[in-house]
Amino acid sequence: GAVVSQHPSRVICKSGTSVKIECRSLDFQATTMFWYRQFPKQSLMLMATSNEGSKATYEQGVEKDKFLINHASLTLSTLTVTSAHPEDSSFYICSARELGPSRSGNTIYFGEGSWLTVV
Amino acid sequence: GQQLNQSPQSMFIQEGEDVSMNCTSSSIFNTWLWYKQDPGEGPVLLIALYKAGELTSNGRLTAQFGITRKDSFLNISASIPSDVGIYFCAGLSGEYGNKLVFGAGTILRVKS
Repeated sequence: GAVVSQHPSRVICKSGTSVKIECRSLDFQATTMFWYRQFPKQSLMLMATSNEGSKATYEQGVEKDKFLINHASLTLSTLTVTSAHPEDSSFYICSARELGPSRSGNTIYFGEGSWLTVV
Repeated sequence: GQQLNQSPQSMFIQEGEDVSMNCTSSSIFNTWLWYKQDPGEGPVLLIALYKAGELTSNGRLTAQFGITRKDSFLNISASIPSDVGIYFCAGLSGEYGNKLVFGAGTILRVKS
């Protein structure tokens, strides 16, 4: 299957600083990528939909000024957590939509996830 | 929040047993996807289903897209210890803007 890569896999940052997480589709072009946050033992919570060349669409309750998303190319989306605080510590996961040929549908592949710890 | 009802929430089975889990919804979906997530990692796609009635296998895994397009099941035959993990169903639907909606997950534990 297609590969989606996230970097870094783990990051520790100081409170008040910003941290950037990258999501790349390695072998396909993704006009749409998604960013999720996952709390322990829970399912994934969609934060925003990242559209190549346009502004991201944020889910209700997600602060767009805090979680900046940039989808500058068909293979790269970035999530920047600005002025991070300890409560932002979490597992962040991206996914990318691979458009299927006409006889099959879309498929969504996930990255490996990024652990953010804010100290 | 989730719009898919996934069951069971957890299973603790003997190695070698078959496993079955399912997802239902009140909405129609045009794609069903099944993922497995190991602790600390991202979900890995197991099976993708695109047509109502479609039955697809991937090794010991078999999944079906319900004929009503409102449900799907995943079966694992002859379970082994490495099957341990959380299994999520997910669906794509125009009703939800073609954003993936998830079930709550099924935690699978296997006794060897």
